[in-house]
Amino acid sequence: AQSVTQLGSHVSVSEGALVLLRCNYSSSVPPYLFWYVQYPNQGLQLLLKYTSAATLVKGINGFEAEFKKSETSFHLTKPSAHMSDAAEYFCAVSDRGFGNFNKFYFGSGTKLNVKP
Amino acid sequence: DTAVSQTPKYLVTQMGNDKSIKCEQNLGHDTMYWYKQDSKKFLKIMFSYNNKELIINETVPNRFSPKSPDKAHLNLHINSLELGDSAVYFCASSPRQGGQPQHFGDGTRLSIL
Repeated sequence: AQSVTQLGSHVSVSEGALVLLRCNYSSSVPPYLFWYVQYPNQGLQLLLKYTSAATLVKGINGFEAEFKKSETSFHLTKPSAHMSDAAEYFCAVSDRGFGNFNKFYFGSGTKLNVKP
Repeated sequence: DTAVSQTPKYLVTQMGNDKSIKCEQNLGHDTMYWYKQDSKKFLKIMFSYNNKELIINETVPNRFSPKSPDKAHLNLHINSLELGDSAVYFCASSPRQGGQPQHFGDGTRLSIL
């Protein structure tokens, strides 16, 4: 079964600093990959997704992620953190192939704290 | 217009009671899901329906029973509520095809007294 690892349950950065949130997947066949953000008392909102096009994917709010097959990774970055980026971030994967019913496997989440 | 809407947003009830959570989506998606998010924010898939047919049924106590009257609605009924059922329950929807984002509701926070 697929597994998703997010290294670092808590990440703290200063406002204006680089944000790097890590995600690794386990399957030998590259899956579909997603990043979601969850603000307090809200549902999950899609930041970006990787299906099979360019390996560097741009998303909303200035975030981007790079798919690296050799490292089985899909790390999320943002050049300059804003206070409004403070939230919980989830990496999710979905296996390719017929019959997978678009089932998502979520990482355990990373809480991003932005210091003034 | 809300894409995936859940009701109620908050549910506080006594142990042993039976309760239901409703979910509706207006995105025209074929597939809907229920997730449980625990206090540590871990998200676990519970069920999924595709066009009213159950397609994912994870290891969930049989006190939990989903029901999909049509492809735009997926409800969750919970019998004999236990303390461990306290969590946030999220409904989501997506197109049937793999690789499509799932769209989430705002969640129902269930608290068992």
